[in-house]
Amino acid sequence: NAGVTQTPKFQVLKTGQSMTLQCAQDMNHEYMSWYRQDPGMGLRLIHYSVGAGITDQGEVPNGYNVSRSTTEDFPLRLLSAAPSQTSVYFCASSPTGVGYEQYFGPGTRLTVT
Amino acid sequence: QQPVQSPQAVILREGEDAVINCSSSKALYSVHWYRQKHGEAPVFLMILLKGGEQKGHDKISASFNEKKQQSSLYLTASQLSYSGTYFCGVTYSGAGSYQLTFGKGTKLSVIP
Repeated sequence: NAGVTQTPKFQVLKTGQSMTLQCAQDMNHEYMSWYRQDPGMGLRLIHYSVGAGITDQGEVPNGYNVSRSTTEDFPLRLLSAAPSQTSVYFCASSPTGVGYEQYFGPGTRLTVT
Repeated sequence: QQPVQSPQAVILREGEDAVINCSSSKALYSVHWYRQKHGEAPVFLMILLKGGEQKGHDKISASFNEKKQQSSLYLTASQLSYSGTYFCGVTYSGAGSYQLTFGKGTKLSVIP
């Protein structure tokens, strides 16, 4: 099993550009989520999904869109990049339920200039 | 509302013990503990559920005090490999979701 994979590993965008961060998992997990990590802030939830076709907002959803057409994939779209979106982005997956660990992908480091 | 972790940072010599706390002002259902090394993804340590028992493996264990809405992570006889940032992630009672809300982290440095 590859676990949770994310692409790209690094990305530099100019203000106003759009892009999609890819996330895929091969563990047949229903629950997937996106976090951003900024220095001193911990991990903050952007969006999450409890299954294909079902998504919801987390703590910091503004400026981001998600969709979940398959169990395996959960892409994160930046609509119009801003310098405030410079961060490290982690995707995570787990079986549905609060008693399960979340498996994190390796992260995408995004810089918006 | 993020749980509050304390201390923010701690420096230990090899072999010393440490306690990291995670407190919430809201009733908790579960507490997850993760460790993250610089430039890497968070790695799962353990989960404690409301009404559950204290957990542990090797020299790392944790407890969940439901009355205080607080969890503590205990690291005994620390090793160099314990260095990293420790995060607690919590789910709230009655929230009806699997969302984890993370604290800001505790940076642990173990020196020879």
